Amino acid sequence: EAQVTQNPRYLITVTGKKLTVTCSQNMNHEYMSWYRQDPGLGLRQIYYSMNVEVTDKGDVPEGYKVSRKEKRNFPLILESPSPNQTSLYFCASRLFSVTEAFFGQGTRLTVV
Amino acid sequence: KNQVEQSPQSLIILEGKNCTLQCNYTVSPFSNLRWYKQDTGRGPVSLTIMTFSENTKSNGRYTATLDADTKQSSLHITASQLSDSASYICVVSVMGGATNKLIFGTGTLLAVQP
Repeated sequence: EAQVTQNPRYLITVTGKKLTVTCSQNMNHEYMSWYRQDPGLGLRQIYYSMNVEVTDKGDVPEGYKVSRKEKRNFPLILESPSPNQTSLYFCASRLFSVTEAFFGQGTRLTVV
Repeated sequence: KNQVEQSPQSLIILEGKNCTLQCNYTVSPFSNLRWYKQDTGRGPVSLTIMTFSENTKSNGRYTATLDADTKQSSLHITASQLSDSASYICVVSVMGGATNKLIFGTGTLLAVQP
């Protein structure tokens, strides 16, 4: 089954404790991206990757890191999480030539 | 600035009734427009895509329209069902570079009540 898989689905952590949210897709998509979704603000792009070893900042990149060592994986790293990073996070992937994005199930992160 | 605005922010309707959601965009150069459905606690899923030359497209009980001149789109839901309760997000694709950029609206939260 074609899908984007994120883990974990739920995460509660403390301020400053490094964490990683994993994302994997099995559709051989070149383009992968991370979004955060907050009430009233919609989906905002954090980082994106056009291919292996090619990443770039989206609209709200501060406080986040990403890597793309393999085509299928695109982890999101919070080196020192803060409470304002409490949000619902989505990973998405798509082909360059198609604008339909396939989203993961979401990760609800709470930083206390 | 590329922007996508949706209205209303939220909507409550009774099961079986119809409703229409609106999307206005200021995006250039326009590539296409998609409507996504996002169930609570899930990722968005594409319902339909509208290109520049298309005026109307149906997907079951969902009908999307596009007026490229006024830069407006609508999503009409016919004979609503409880399972239609979700957030509906309008996403406009901007041409440019190696791949298009997606501009997201903030969504319309629809609640269908029995």
